[in-house]
Amino acid sequence: GAVVSQHPSWVICKSGTSVKIECRSLDFQATTMFWYRQFPKQSLMLMATSNEGSKATYEQGVEKDKFLINHASLTLSTLTVTSAHPEDSSFYICSASTGAGPQHFGDGTRLSIL
Amino acid sequence: DAKTTQPNSMESNEEEPVHLPCNHSTISGTDYIHWYRQLPSQGPEYVIHGLTSNVNNRMASLAIAEDRKSSTLILHRATLRDAAVYYCILRDPNTGNQFYFGTGTSLTVIP
Repeated sequence: GAVVSQHPSWVICKSGTSVKIECRSLDFQATTMFWYRQFPKQSLMLMATSNEGSKATYEQGVEKDKFLINHASLTLSTLTVTSAHPEDSSFYICSASTGAGPQHFGDGTRLSIL
Repeated sequence: DAKTTQPNSMESNEEEPVHLPCNHSTISGTDYIHWYRQLPSQGPEYVIHGLTSNVNNRMASLAIAEDRKSSTLILHRATLRDAAVYYCILRDPNTGNQFYFGTGTSLTVIP
């Protein structure tokens, strides 16, 4: 089946640093990628939708200057959390889709900001 | 985005069938019904999806009400590995394919 790889799987860093998370579709070309955030004991919250070669569309309440998304190719999207602070600590999950079919999810990145 | 309502939690005995309900009374004619499940510390896993007709695959069956205002995910023989949070999600391919997750149903399988 379709495979989506997310890297790194976990990261711990100091407050104020920027962290980049990669999402790759390994065996298919993803026209659209999605980024989610999930806090403990809560559901996934959609942050943004990213189409290859165009600017991401952010959900209401998500700061686009804080969460930079780049979707430069049909197999790679990156999420950069800029100037991360402890409240940004969360489980970040990406998914990839070829269109109207199912979304295929990565295994998530656990981000801890000290 | 149309909303879905699911019970917060359910229990099932191992090797017995499980019926997970989902209400989506405001579903539109173009919304597909998707089911995903999530194990702890992992991303969601696709289970099944459908539009109007009942669907079967190797993982589960999806029964869709005739008026499409509700659906039921059926696991034919629950195993311990089926313990997860199950999400029922509506998706309209005409409006961007976004998923808006609800709270899901946490399924506990009792050995």
